[in-house]
Amino acid sequence: EAGVTQFPSHSVIEKGQTVTLRCDPISGHDNLYWYRRVMGKEIKFLLHFVKESKQDESGMPNNRFLAERTGGTYSTLKVQPAELEDSGVYFCASSSVGNEQYFGPGTRLTVT
Amino acid sequence: DAKTTQPNSMESNEEEPVHLPCNHSTISGTDYIHWYRQLPSQGPEYVIHGLTSNVNNRMASLAIAEDRKSSTLILHRATLRDAAVYYCILRGLITNAGKSTFGDGTTLTVKP
Repeated sequence: EAGVTQFPSHSVIEKGQTVTLRCDPISGHDNLYWYRRVMGKEIKFLLHFVKESKQDESGMPNNRFLAERTGGTYSTLKVQPAELEDSGVYFCASSSVGNEQYFGPGTRLTVT
Repeated sequence: DAKTTQPNSMESNEEEPVHLPCNHSTISGTDYIHWYRQLPSQGPEYVIHGLTSNVNNRMASLAIAEDRKSSTLILHRATLRDAAVYYCILRGLITNAGKSTFGDGTTLTVKP
């Protein structure tokens, strides 16, 4: 069974540009989560989808971040426009009914 | 959200047991205790979770104090591949099921 996949693995963009991160959860997992770790900080929750609905988006830092999960399958996280402080590693995780979350390898975002 | 406290680092010798402590004195009655670990350049990996009783799985054991204010992750025989950052987090079953902060975790070093 394929695990959680994320694309791209690494993205380097300039300040002011737009970047879209993609997450493909484990097939059949209704719950999808986005987290991120910015430099030197701990891993922080961003938001939680249940199927295509946003269950909790209280961790989204500001309106430059937009997450979608059309059709309840894969999800995208768009940052527009990107700022220097957005640099970090963005993780996606998915889960079925239980509490166990399966994480992807992350996307390393570098904003220059 | 309830917080957890872990030592910054621990060392172990290969083939020996490791006991990783976690304090969570403000835990609520419905919070599950989860442990994840993160190997270098990978996303967090689920290890184990429990509510009140001690739990065992193929990776580790979880010992939960009677008052639930602390817990200990037990690796019965540490291997070099167990070197990672171990996170103890609290997570509700339904509400706030995805919203959790990983903290700084404990960096486990395993010496051959």
